[in-house]
Amino acid sequence: GENVEQHPSTLSVQEGDSAVIKCTYSDSASNYFPWYKQELGKGPQLIIDIRSNVGEKKDQRIAVTLNKTAKHFSLHITETQPEDSAVYFCAASNSFQKLVFGTGTRLLVSP
Amino acid sequence: KAGVTQTPRYLIKTRGQQVTLSCSPISGHRSVSWYQQTPGQGLQFLFEYFSETQRNKGNFPGRFSGRQFSNSRSEMNVSTLELGDSALYLCASSKGQDTYFDGELFFGEGSRLTVL
Repeated sequence: GENVEQHPSTLSVQEGDSAVIKCTYSDSASNYFPWYKQELGKGPQLIIDIRSNVGEKKDQRIAVTLNKTAKHFSLHITETQPEDSAVYFCAASNSFQKLVFGTGTRLLVSP
Repeated sequence: KAGVTQTPRYLIKTRGQQVTLSCSPISGHRSVSWYQQTPGQGLQFLFEYFSETQRNKGNFPGRFSGRQFSNSRSEMNVSTLELGDSALYLCASSKGQDTYFDGELFFGEGSRLTVL
């Protein structure tokens, strides 16, 4: 089955810096790659997603890139703000609404 | 537009008991998925229902079961609880009409189960 690895597990940056989180997946049939942000006491919230027919997608300060050949996808957050502090999860899917999640990255943005 | 509602939010059970968790999806969403979140194993897929039919199932023992009603509301049940079942159980809904992942999963805030 699918396996998703995520790095780093923790990431500390200064406000205004960029943050990059990387994931790799194992199943070449996976075709949907979302990123979720989870704040304390809340459920995960989708922040951006990408499908396998697209190499890059951007939404304001957030971007995701996908390299199908290498089975890598990455989340890029520019101009980080303290409110970006949370746990971020990558995921991959190849079947009915089933997501396989990475282990999460705790992002801390210091003022 | 109301979000995904999960009840109860917190509950404490003892080993050997059973528990039923409830999920009301976003209006119009016909797919409901359940995930278990623990510090050690992360977020793991339990099962997914669409129009009262289970379409997909994760690698959990038969003690974990679920169902979906005609109004798309869903319940999951865990029987013969074990200490390791302590977790945050998350429900997510989506339109779920296609075989191709058709878009965003909207998660509820979860039901936190503690097994003593």
